[in-house]
Amino acid sequence: SQQGEEDPQALSIQEGENATMNCSYKTSINNLQWYRQNSGRGLVHLILIRSNEREKHSGRLRVTLDTSKKSSSLLITASRAADTASYFCATVRQGAQKLVFGQGTRLTINP
Amino acid sequence: EPEVTQTPSHQVTQMGQEVILRCVPISNHLYFYWYRQILGQKVEFLVSFYNNEISEKSEIFDDQFSVERPDGSNFTLKIRSTKLEDSAMYFCASSPRTGGSYEQYFGPGTRLTVT
Repeated sequence: SQQGEEDPQALSIQEGENATMNCSYKTSINNLQWYRQNSGRGLVHLILIRSNEREKHSGRLRVTLDTSKKSSSLLITASRAADTASYFCATVRQGAQKLVFGQGTRLTINP
Repeated sequence: EPEVTQTPSHQVTQMGQEVILRCVPISNHLYFYWYRQILGQKVEFLVSFYNNEISEKSEIFDDQFSVERPDGSNFTLKIRSTKLEDSAMYFCASSPRTGGSYEQYFGPGTRLTVT
């Protein structure tokens, strides 16, 4: 079944450093989305990249998509303590509506 | 900025009871969703709803579950005869789905505890 899988499962870096999280999936997709979840809270949509796009930027976020490898990466530049959260990738298949989430990467930014 | 709201934030119920979780999606959105997240696990899709009917559902969404849009603003998830394993965070989401916009906007969630 289609599934987004992130790695690493946990990442701890110093404030100011860049954080890179990866996501792999198994089937053809229409788009891939990244979400952030602060502990015990709701999911916040960060960025969407379509299957015909290779890279997208939003502020300090950079997302890449390689459909040949069925993988995506999320780069957060110049990290801040407030970026501490879990980050999930979620895919949408062609013709489908549901998001299929991965297990997420727990990112900790140390001051 | 418009946002999805959910009530209650926390619901405690006894096994076998019925619960109704409520959501108010963003007003001009057309698609509505329910997801759940069992503690420590990934977010799982339950159901999507469009044009007053279910458009897609997962194998989790069995006869125990139902959804309804009783008026122009609310979107509800009813769980009949709750089980211990229904304990989870339930998220409502909505999406405009116009102009190729597929982003889903999530509410803060309702934590359901079944005792």
